[in-house]
Amino acid sequence: NAGVTQTPKFRVLKTGQSMTLLCAQDMNHEYMYWYRQDPGMGLRLIHYSVGEGTTAKGEVPDGYNVSRLKKQNFLLGLESAAPSQTSVYFCASSDQTGDNEKLFFGSGTQLSVL
Amino acid sequence: LAKTTQPISMDSYEGQEVNITCSHNNIATNDYITWYQQFPSQGPRFIIQGYKTKVTNEVASLFIPADRKSSTLSLPRVSLSDTAVYYCLVGDFSGSARQLTFGSGTQLTVLP
Repeated sequence: NAGVTQTPKFRVLKTGQSMTLLCAQDMNHEYMYWYRQDPGMGLRLIHYSVGEGTTAKGEVPDGYNVSRLKKQNFLLGLESAAPSQTSVYFCASSDQTGDNEKLFFGSGTQLSVL
Repeated sequence: LAKTTQPISMDSYEGQEVNITCSHNNIATNDYITWYQQFPSQGPRFIIQGYKTKVTNEVASLFIPADRKSSTLSLPRVSLSDTAVYYCLVGDFSGSARQLTFGSGTQLTVLP
């Protein structure tokens, strides 16, 4: 049981380049999230999805797009990367069990934009 | 959205009990309180979750007063391996909105 898997683990981009980060979960969770974490700061929600085919904006959505074509996958796209998008990106998934809901996180993607 | 406030950092010694408090003055009726632990270069990991009063599991206790405007994570007898950042998350899991926003976290350093 792999849980939440993020690819790639590291990436360096030049300003203006595009890329897609892939998140895959094998727990059949309904909800998936993309967060970014800057040095010494907490996690900020970029986009999230409450089910296959749905997406919604989080706290800091500008400059990013997402897609959830399959329940197990949540893709985060950067169409034209900027140095301000240098960060560690974390994907998470969750499902509700009774009154409880836990977020399960991947190990992160370190992205540097030069 | 319920905004959370935590101390930036705390120091403790091995074997001591550590209490980390989170303030969430505008918590909503349907909001739950969840604590996560994060080690460097890893994603956060679930510790404990509660709605009111006290919750205890094998690693921690969570104390929530009647007004629910704050919560306290209690770690009994900490060890060096408990050095990490601890996040308080307040969110509503009853609907389709999932604006689960983390605060800045508390860096706990356990000293020998």
